[in-house]
Amino acid sequence: SAVISQKPSRDICQRGTSLTIQCQVDSQVTMMFWYRQQPGQSLTLIATANQGSEATYESGFVIDKFPISRPNLTFSTLTVSNMSPEDSSIYLCSVLQGSGANVLTFGAGSRLTVL
Amino acid sequence: EDKVVQSPLSLVVHEGDTVTLNCSYEVTNFRSLLWYKQEKKAPTFLFMLTSSGIEKKSGRLSSILDKKELFSILNITATQTGDSAVYLCAARNSGGSNYKLTFGKGTLLTVNP
Repeated sequence: SAVISQKPSRDICQRGTSLTIQCQVDSQVTMMFWYRQQPGQSLTLIATANQGSEATYESGFVIDKFPISRPNLTFSTLTVSNMSPEDSSIYLCSVLQGSGANVLTFGAGSRLTVL
Repeated sequence: EDKVVQSPLSLVVHEGDTVTLNCSYEVTNFRSLLWYKQEKKAPTFLFMLTSSGIEKKSGRLSSILDKKELFSILNITATQTGDSAVYLCAARNSGGSNYKLTFGKGTLLTVNP
């Protein structure tokens, strides 16, 4: 199965700054997904990133706040812009695997704390 | 709006106990239900269920889906302290070429020695 690496693993950020999270997969994948998990909440899909096209954002998430890059089939970045304490979350990169590519597999996650 | 509700939200048991975790869903064009175990940050896949009444089993864990009543259960027998984790349920819809999972908030299971 694919190995998904994320960095940073964790960070403490100041209000108003931006942080970019990197996701590297050891095999080529068509779609990469970015999820957020706020404290005590369920995982929520931010956007789906396809190589060579604009990311597709879910309701409540906008490109200005969460710009995504997908320069090739093994790499993606998510930037959390102009952070506020409400952005303190675990951010997870994920890809499809398994028979028929039906199972979402997650990276180790990036835990961001915004002061 | 698609919704997945898990119960209980938390559960404390002793080693050796059997637990049942519940998941109900309301998802447009339902396709499959997935269970994950989340110990630190990254959820790890347990089961994917697509057909009603067919139990999936892996060691002490098993799961079944009821598409008529729109729920699934995850059973863990002879629990061990290593089973302590958040168990997440997620429902997938058939969104054409899109893949989207709607997650529940999870059940926090604590297994005490």
